[in-house]
Amino acid sequence: SAVISQKPSRDICQRGTSLTIQCQVDSQVTMMFWYRQQPGQSLTLIATANQGSEATYESGFVIDKFPISRPNLTFSTLTVSNMSPEDSSIYLCSVPTSFEQFFGPGTRLTVL
Amino acid sequence: QQPVQSPQAVILREGEDAVINCSSSKALYSVHWYRQKHGEAPVFLMILLKGGEQKGHEKISASFNEKKQQSSLYLTASQLSYSGTYFCGTETQTGANNLFFGTGTRLTVIP
Repeated sequence: SAVISQKPSRDICQRGTSLTIQCQVDSQVTMMFWYRQQPGQSLTLIATANQGSEATYESGFVIDKFPISRPNLTFSTLTVSNMSPEDSSIYLCSVPTSFEQFFGPGTRLTVL
Repeated sequence: QQPVQSPQAVILREGEDAVINCSSSKALYSVHWYRQKHGEAPVFLMILLKGGEQKGHEKISASFNEKKQQSSLYLTASQLSYSGTYFCGTETQTGANNLFFGTGTRLTVIP
């Protein structure tokens, strides 16, 4: 299993600003994933973050908007840049184990 | 393309059964099922792998039709605790681990 914490748990931000979300795992993991969940919607994969290499982004997500860092095997950050109200979502990180994924509690972001 | 789930929502009385379906347009390596309660993170229920292997934590059963790229989750003798939104997550490459989640099914169990 894996225990994952995220900071902040929630935030309210102004349009045009940036927010960095932290994800901490209690064990070393090779892969970490970042997901976005818009209000009332499903989870959408933003990117895969592997330690020691650049993140791999899914279609519709770009590094300039969602830069990701992965400095070691237990930590990752996702930055939401130049925010607009459309970025209001819950952002979750997750890590895979042998057959399941564990999710962090999420960061609820509201952009005004 | 996002996997499609049906039904979108269902209301059950305690003890009743339900089936949730997940259909993908892509060939699948595995299908995962998760339940998410309001304000909480998704929680793993089951994985079904190409070739027939299944692993899960709870007394929930599921099927995976590899040829049709479809999976079904069977909830029997439902309990109040089963309420939540169910998502299938599909994996198209062996070992990729990145999941593409379905549209979701909101299940409400009432006394």
